[in-house]
Amino acid sequence: AQSVAQPEDQVNVAEGNPLTVKCTYSVSGNPYLFWYVQYPNRGLQFLLKYITGDNLVKGSYGFEAEFNKSQTSFHLKKPSALVSDSALYFCAVRDGGANNLFFGTGTRLTVIP
Amino acid sequence: NAGVTQTPKFRILKIGQSMTLQCTQDMNHNYMYWYRQDPGMGLKLIYYSVGAGITDKGEVPNGYNVSRSTTEDFPLRLELAAPSQTSVYFCASSYSSERNQPQHFGDGTRLSIL
Repeated sequence: AQSVAQPEDQVNVAEGNPLTVKCTYSVSGNPYLFWYVQYPNRGLQFLLKYITGDNLVKGSYGFEAEFNKSQTSFHLKKPSALVSDSALYFCAVRDGGANNLFFGTGTRLTVIP
Repeated sequence: NAGVTQTPKFRILKIGQSMTLQCTQDMNHNYMYWYRQDPGMGLKLIYYSVGAGITDKGEVPNGYNVSRSTTEDFPLRLELAAPSQTSVYFCASSYSSERNQPQHFGDGTRLSIL
């Protein structure tokens, strides 16, 4: 069975400070991990993915994510937050044997000017 | 590029009515998906398709039907609308069966059943 947990419903960070949005996962095989962002009244937009290889993955808009196999985590990070980063962020996992993604419940990021 | 287009953007239905949510993509993607998004619940997969003529159930298929007669189109049908189907519905597509391909989403259909 696959599952994803985003333990924080809301994350607030000051503009210019580093941000972290947490995600942990559970899969039976090799994980394929994704981060998506959703702006108001829009669909989800792909940010980055981890398949294999380097544990630090770089994506769009200056975001990066760190894969940690021992902690089964895939936290999203950015060194310096922008007000425009305020949005809803979803972590998703695909088990190596599955056709579809399982999404977390989302974390609302608010960057305070 | 249009990407994934969903129509309508908003709809209010009465209990027991039926409707079809339209989804079309112009990226020649084989895989297409329907999700519903409820507050605090993330996205739940309703149905998906791996190609024209092939569909399969996701996590929450009850009360819905789909068809895939062309690569481009993947409509979602609600036959007897119920209040529990009030949600935001998203269609998505991806290029291939490679499991590292990201999904591309439409902007959603906001559906209220009263």
